[in-house]
Amino acid sequence: DTEVTQTPKHLVMGMTNKKSLKCEQHMGHRAMYWYKQKAKKPPELMFVYSYEKLSINESVPSRFSPECPNSSLLNLHLHALQPEDSALYLCASSDWGDIISPLHFGNGTRLTVT
Amino acid sequence: AQKVTQAQTEISVVEKEDVTLDCVYETRDTTYYLFWYKQPPSGELVFLIRRNSFDEQNEISGRYSWNFQKSTSSFNFTITASQVVDSAVYFCALSEVNYGGSQGNLIFGKGTKLSVKP
Repeated sequence: DTEVTQTPKHLVMGMTNKKSLKCEQHMGHRAMYWYKQKAKKPPELMFVYSYEKLSINESVPSRFSPECPNSSLLNLHLHALQPEDSALYLCASSDWGDIISPLHFGNGTRLTVT
Repeated sequence: AQKVTQAQTEISVVEKEDVTLDCVYETRDTTYYLFWYKQPPSGELVFLIRRNSFDEQNEISGRYSWNFQKSTSSFNFTITASQVVDSAVYFCALSEVNYGGSQGNLIFGKGTKLSVKP
């Protein structure tokens, strides 16, 4: 079983909906990440939180809004998405957010925007 | 620019065959880290190994082995006596220093899909 838990596993939403993806880890990791993965492509980094502060935003559109309520939780708020935003959204965590620490991924949320 | 190339898009083998997944990287950094991740059909990426740029020793873990050669900028992954459960997409990744040197970021290759048939 993965130590990074993501909910929901699947989400279908319309372009006018507002929804949130949730991620939780209890490994004491200090960095948490959101990645987006399209079919047959590698994961693409969206956001990085380090010590609960946003440290990297890879020029992600504002219809994606991350939130880190505490060191164990990471949310991704979705609003006014487009069909091309349909993808697998992966949460990950790591010890320090540096170049050494391996990432621990969740199972992902498969998002479909209709 | 940093880059990771996995030239093999898909590989299909029969169970018990050995298979090698290739990974070639480009970087100007003298200190860097290389990783392999496995992504089974269930979706999550599973960390397999990390290797730093100063350690060229090959590593073996059960049926898995890794060959790191700085001279050819390669970090290849071999599965010995493959099994159906090895079927997955395998990503090679390079960790780069980002945003002032304190933050890491992974550069993923495009992945190699391995299918092991019974």
